[in-house]
Amino acid sequence: DAGITQSPRHKVTETGTPVTLRCHQTENHRYMYWYRQDPGHGLRLIHYSYGVKDTDKGEVSDGYSVSRSKTEDFLLTLESATSSQTSVYFCAISSSFGSNQPQHFGDGTRLSIL
Amino acid sequence: QKEVEQDPGPLSVPEGAIVSLNCTYSNSAFQYFMWYRQYSRKGPELLMYTYSSGNKEDGRFTAQVDKSSKYISLFIRDSQPSDSATYLCAMIRMDSSYKLIFGSGTRLLVRP
Repeated sequence: DAGITQSPRHKVTETGTPVTLRCHQTENHRYMYWYRQDPGHGLRLIHYSYGVKDTDKGEVSDGYSVSRSKTEDFLLTLESATSSQTSVYFCAISSSFGSNQPQHFGDGTRLSIL
Repeated sequence: QKEVEQDPGPLSVPEGAIVSLNCTYSNSAFQYFMWYRQYSRKGPELLMYTYSSGNKEDGRFTAQVDKSSKYISLFIRDSQPSDSATYLCAMIRMDSSYKLIFGSGTRLLVRP
């Protein structure tokens, strides 16, 4: 899995609670990404990072925040979880942004919000 | 309308069959094309990565790109039960965003 570890792998929580998902990489790649995967929608980009403390929004960023204090760790936070955020969340990494280096993915976190 | 369209399937074939998986796209800014394979409860795994129109072969897999028709395909020869998975096409938009856009995936089942 290209040296990517996501934690936790599964989580069940209640509406309104804060949730933090962690992505850890051992490849020293500059770029890290958070996606969500839902039936019929494929993978959609939530946020991405292009370096320590450098992040930007993706297409479905509302309700999510991210932080990257170290090259190897990228955190995704749901400040107040809602049922619409029930999904499978994937972290990805790449050594460059755009054309010449594809993204590699972790095995995901299954998040259920009741 | 989605930028990348992919038939969700499921597609069921007997072992040994040739499988054809396809995606269409609407924006000519897409220039780099990928196919990922995703097993149940796992992350997507990169299978093929190509830029130019034409064919690229890797073992039993062939990726085909037709930019004039905005159409890409993945062919799997001599399909095996272990090929049963969801196949995602993906492409990079070569405008200011350089974002990776995914199709919704086609579920493939290869019957022994």
